[in-house]
Amino acid sequence: GESVGLHLPTLSVQEGDNSIINCAYSNSASDYFIWYKQESGKGPQFIIDIRSNMDKRQGQRVTVLLNKTVKHLSLQIAATQPGDSAVYFCAENIGGSARQLTFGSGTQLTVLP
Amino acid sequence: DTGVSQNPRHKITKRGQNVTFRCDPISEHNRLYWYRQTLGQGPEFLTYFQNEAQLEKSRLLSDRFSAERPKGSFSTLEIQRTEQGDSAMYLCASSLTIGGQNEQYFGPGTRLTVT
Repeated sequence: GESVGLHLPTLSVQEGDNSIINCAYSNSASDYFIWYKQESGKGPQFIIDIRSNMDKRQGQRVTVLLNKTVKHLSLQIAATQPGDSAVYFCAENIGGSARQLTFGSGTQLTVLP
Repeated sequence: DTGVSQNPRHKITKRGQNVTFRCDPISEHNRLYWYRQTLGQGPEFLTYFQNEAQLEKSRLLSDRFSAERPKGSFSTLEIQRTEQGDSAMYLCASSLTIGGQNEQYFGPGTRLTVT
């Protein structure tokens, strides 16, 4: 079946550098995408979302880019901090809002001192 | 703490036993969701409620799984005749559907171990 997937399972970056986490999706009907951060022992925490009528959205230190042509989503974290170390998931939904989210398998981000 | 809470946080049970988990959503949230997460994987959607109505349950993993939200507030997820493959983290989330905003806030989860 169609699903959301991630290119890399792990990513290590130096503190202060920018991080880019990628995600590929295969369901062309998906029209709403979310990035979540999950720290060990905790539930996923919303970071940022984007609807399919947009190609870029910015938050505090984070930017999500959506390329519908190649069905690719990325999360950029500026000036990565130790507190950013976590597993990052992209999730997709059909219908324009978060109902039955389909999550990818996650990328472990490790911030090196 | 005014976030989503789940109880218990950990549950160890023997195969064949029934278990029930509870989720208390953020108080004004009208939607409540259940997910299952296995190690190294993203959460997998199971079911959701809008107020007390269960709007989607076809994704429940088998007929051993059932969920309720009798008064539109807290919810319970029950697994009957547990199997070792049911071992996972069970996550609950809630959201408020106003103005198209539907951000799901997750609880800390209940970790189930079936021995």
